Amino acid sequence: DAGVTQSPTHLIKTRGQQVTLRCSPKSGHDTVSWYQQALGQGPQFIFQYYEEEERQRGNFPDRFSGHQFPNYSSELNVNALLLGDSALYLCASSVFSGLRVGAFFGQGTRLTVV
Amino acid sequence: AQSVTQLDSHVSVSEGTPVLLRCNYSSSYSPSLFWYVQHPNKGLQLLLKYTSAATLVKGINGFEAEFKKSETSFHLTKPSAHMSDAAEYFCVVWGNAGNMLTFGGGTRLMVKP
Repeated sequence: DAGVTQSPTHLIKTRGQQVTLRCSPKSGHDTVSWYQQALGQGPQFIFQYYEEEERQRGNFPDRFSGHQFPNYSSELNVNALLLGDSALYLCASSVFSGLRVGAFFGQGTRLTVV
Repeated sequence: AQSVTQLDSHVSVSEGTPVLLRCNYSSSYSPSLFWYVQHPNKGLQLLLKYTSAATLVKGINGFEAEFKKSETSFHLTKPSAHMSDAAEYFCVVWGNAGNMLTFGGGTRLMVKP
């Protein structure tokens, strides 16, 4: 049973570029949440996808967008990259309304913006 | 709103001595509380969870935590630290902020030989 898989593991982009990160949830999970973890800080909630729709959004600008596919996998897109977008991006997999019992996290994608 | 405060950003212990990582939470909803561990360059692993059952929760690798509603605390303990316990630990709450997890700032645990 595969856990949560994210790709790529590392990425270097230039300011102003666009990036797409990918996540495949754990088998049986239908909900994907994305978190940004800046160096030395706790993860911050970006948004959550369920039934191919954004269900909840944290305090992030519209440059951050996402998508969920019928097979529950998800993408995180960031446009017009800023240096401050450099962070570890974590994908969390769960059953919708099942966060009461926690979520499973992927290994993350380390994004460096130069 | 819900929030989590981890009272120590760094904790240093000697191998074989007890570990205490402190966490206070705020939530107007009956919360679920979690401890996650993050080893360098790794993702987050769930250590243990409280979901309104027993207030003393046992997790993996000998860790446990006690939910104290009157003190709004959920401190993580382990009787004897091992070198492999050195990592970043996050206290996390799920409650009245919709369907999201709110993380504390993390506590870096260092274990000296």
